[in-house]
Amino acid sequence: AQSVAQPEDQVNVAEGNPLTVKCTYSVSGNPYLFWYVQYPNRGLQFLLKYITGDNLVKGSYGFEAEFNKSQTSFHLKKPSALVSDSALYFCAVRLRSGATNKLIFGTGTLLAVQP
Amino acid sequence: NAGVTQTPKFQVLKTGQSMTLQCAQDMNHEYMSWYRQDPGMGLRLIHYSVGAGITDQGEVPNGYNVSRSTTEDFPLRLLSAAPSQTSVYFCASSGTGYNEQFFGPGTRLTVL
Repeated sequence: AQSVAQPEDQVNVAEGNPLTVKCTYSVSGNPYLFWYVQYPNRGLQFLLKYITGDNLVKGSYGFEAEFNKSQTSFHLKKPSALVSDSALYFCAVRLRSGATNKLIFGTGTLLAVQP
Repeated sequence: NAGVTQTPKFQVLKTGQSMTLQCAQDMNHEYMSWYRQDPGMGLRLIHYSVGAGITDQGEVPNGYNVSRSTTEDFPLRLLSAAPSQTSVYFCASSGTGYNEQFFGPGTRLTVL
C-alpha cells in the first residue's frame, strides 16, 4: 500500500534553533512531494513542493526541504525557528502517473517552538 | 479572489439526519476534492472531481455523495449522519499537473 510516514507526532525546539520535521514515503515511481502547514482552527496552507531538479527546495516563511531519493525522504527544515512557526505540519505525495491530483497525506507532526 | 470557501463553519446533527456541506472556488480549477481530518489520522480523501460532471471515490467514500454540476461548486452530502462522521471536513481545489492544492477553512461537524 502506498503511504506517507511522519514518525514524530511532536517536535519540540527552542526559538532560534534549527528545526527538522521528518517525512518518508512508500509509493511507486517518483512522486511529487509537498509540505503543508495548518494553524489552529484553519485550513491547510501550502509551504513548498518538489517536482524535479535540485534536491533542496525553498518555500514560504524561510522553510526548505531536502529530497533524498535513495532514502525516499523529504524532510522539512528551517535554520532558525520562530515561536510563530508552532503549528501542525503535513507531508503529502502525489503520484506522477494518472490524471488526478490525489494527495496521500502523512498523519501530521505538531511543531512546538518554545521562547 | 475569495479562494476556496466552505459553509457552514460549524454544524451539529443528530444521528440519521442528512445535510450538505457547501464548497466553492473562484480560481477556475478543474480538480476539487473533499477530505476529512481526524486526530492521529491526517487527512483522508472522501471524493474528488477532475472536472464538471466527473466525480470519483477516494479512500473513505461510504456515507457520502458528491456531484459537480459546475466548475465552481462541489457539495458534499451526508445521506444519514452517524457519530463516526464527526470530523473536520476540508474542501480543496487545484489546477492540473503538479500544482498545489488550495484548502478551504473547514467545517467542523458533530453528530450526536
